[in-house]
Order: sequence, then structure tokens, then C-alpha cells
Amino acid sequence: SQQGEEDPQALSIQEGENATMNCSYKTSINNLQWYRQNSGRGLVHLILIRSNEREKHSGRLRVTLDTSKKSSSLLITASRAADTASYFCATDDVSNYQLIWGAGTKLIIKP
Amino acid sequence: EAGVAQSPRYKIIEKRQSVAFWCNPISGHATLYWYQQILGQGPKLLIQFQNNGVVDDSQLPKDRFSAERLKGVDSTLKIQPAKLEDSAVYLCASSLAGAAYEQYFGPGTRLTVT
Repeated sequence: SQQGEEDPQALSIQEGENATMNCSYKTSINNLQWYRQNSGRGLVHLILIRSNEREKHSGRLRVTLDTSKKSSSLLITASRAADTASYFCATDDVSNYQLIWGAGTKLIIKP
Repeated sequence: EAGVAQSPRYKIIEKRQSVAFWCNPISGHATLYWYQQILGQGPKLLIQFQNNGVVDDSQLPKDRFSAERLKGVDSTLKIQPAKLEDSAVYLCASSLAGAAYEQYFGPGTRLTVT
């Protein structure tokens, strides 16, 4: 079953702008991961944030986690055409250690 | 470091036929996953192996799907007989030791059932 829900389902912005995607989940988690999928490189891991962390950075990526609201956000700053992809959040459920995936946000960067 | 290898990359079969997919994970990775991804959706876990034991196969349609991981390394996923709704991309991933670690994905096998 899928418990992560990304919002919005689709996002189209101009190159250079910032993109923000959100993920909500239902159960208690050990960690939350963000992945990117495009036709060229398949599914690629972006960042992992543990339940005791509130914010994490990696290059132009910033991830926040609010366990009280059971939500996370992924911010991509200064977007580039190469950021065009689908972005998925996946949560590690404490009850069964299964990684559960959302349906993804489709991001399109317009030149 | 070599990535996760999968074969074949594409497969077209008729319904009721059988098909098998192969996956070679990253060396040293104890956990291997098979996912089904239908167009426009997120990956759906079919089966998770820890070494050569099954950790989770709750979403595997066991009447038609089977998987094995011999000697805790390579894995095969089989569908017999295939149905039209099995048309999807089948992804194999591996991680060091379970869901607490990032997963590395192979390129996937695109299956079309006609």
C-alpha cells in the first residue's frame, strides 16, 4: 500500500525559479527519503532524513521534516532544465521496516 | 562501483505466456527489492529479500508471480501466466541493509503484455 502522498501532483516553473514539493504520510517513521526519476537515469536517491532530524541540505536541495504534522518538503533552488523529472518520497515504517512510496510529483522546468 | 544490473530491458509477450526477469545487485548489498511501477504511479513493492530470505512478499500475487534469490546474490522474478494488467516496468533495487539505507535502482525491465 502507498502511504506517502506528494503534493502537488504536477508542477511547471521557469528555469531559475525555486520548486517546492510536499509529502504527507500516515504512520510513524524511522526515516524519509526523496528520489528522482527521469527517463535518462531511472530512479535515483536524492536525500535521506531521519526522524530525529528537522532539516537537511545537499547542494541545491533542502529537505525539511515535521514529524508532528507527518509531512516533509523538498525545495530545489535555482532550478535547471535537468531537474525535469518525477520526484517521490518514500517512508520507512517503524512497524514493518518496509519502504512505502508515494505517487510522485511531476516537475517540469521551462527554459 | 558497478550499479544494479537488470535484464532484459524490454520484453513483449502475449497474455498467458510466461516471462522471467534477472537482477544482479550491487556487491555486498544484503537487501534486494523487486518493484512494479505502472505508468504515472510510484513503485509498488512486490518482494524484499534480506540475503536469501524473504522479508516481505505481502503484495506479490503469488498465484502467478514467484521470485528467488539464490545464494543471496542474483535474483529472478517470474510471471506465469501473464495478464494484460502486468504490463509495467519491473524495477530491481538493492541496499546495504534494509529500509534504513538508500536504495540503488537498476534500469528496469519494461514489460508489455498483449
